[in-house]
Amino acid sequence: AQTVTQSQPEMSVQEAETVTLSCTYDTSESDYYLFWYKQPPSRQMILVIRQEAYKQQNATENRFSVNFQKAAKSFSLKISDSQLGDAAMYFCAYKGSNYKLTFGKGTLLTVNP
Amino acid sequence: DTEVTQTPKHLVMGMTNKKSLKCEQHMGHRAMYWYKQKAKKPPELMFVYSYEKLSINESVPSRFSPECPNSSLLNLHLHALQPEDSALYLCASSQEAGLAGGANTGELFFGEGSRLTVL
Repeated sequence: AQTVTQSQPEMSVQEAETVTLSCTYDTSESDYYLFWYKQPPSRQMILVIRQEAYKQQNATENRFSVNFQKAAKSFSLKISDSQLGDAAMYFCAYKGSNYKLTFGKGTLLTVNP
Repeated sequence: DTEVTQTPKHLVMGMTNKKSLKCEQHMGHRAMYWYKQKAKKPPELMFVYSYEKLSINESVPSRFSPECPNSSLLNLHLHALQPEDSALYLCASSQEAGLAGGANTGELFFGEGSRLTVL
């Protein structure tokens, strides 16, 4: 079974600074997707960024980028120029061939003004 | 329209009540999901529907009964719940249940959730 591990239960960052959230996963599959989802206190889960395992190039979306290391099974999220609105719970998630989206336990990000 | 709409947003029910949670999407997605989420925890998968057929039941107690009347609607019928069933219930949809292919991005779109309290 696939597992997703987020080793940082909580992180904090100063506004305008950069923060990196860690995620590792375990799988025997070669084809899969990885996601970072954000869940603000208002609770709706929204997609931050997506990475296809077959793509070597790291995904970027504006201030958000990932460092995808397939051999190491690592998928970290970098948030640049952090904003107050980035404060949320961030979940790393894995989707393989079995229809399931497997979530890590989450990292609660606080942004300090 | 990239929305998944869930109703009601809040529900309080007694242990003997029967109620239903509803979910609707108009994105043409063929996979729909129910998740249960406790405070400060990740969502836990309950059910997956693919092309209106139940594909995954994660050993959910029978007091939760899912229904997919058509490709746009997903219901979760609740009966004889326990206080420990109090949680946020999230509905989600995706283009397909399996891995992405073609224009399928694999992404799940989530609704805002229904906050359930069982007294």
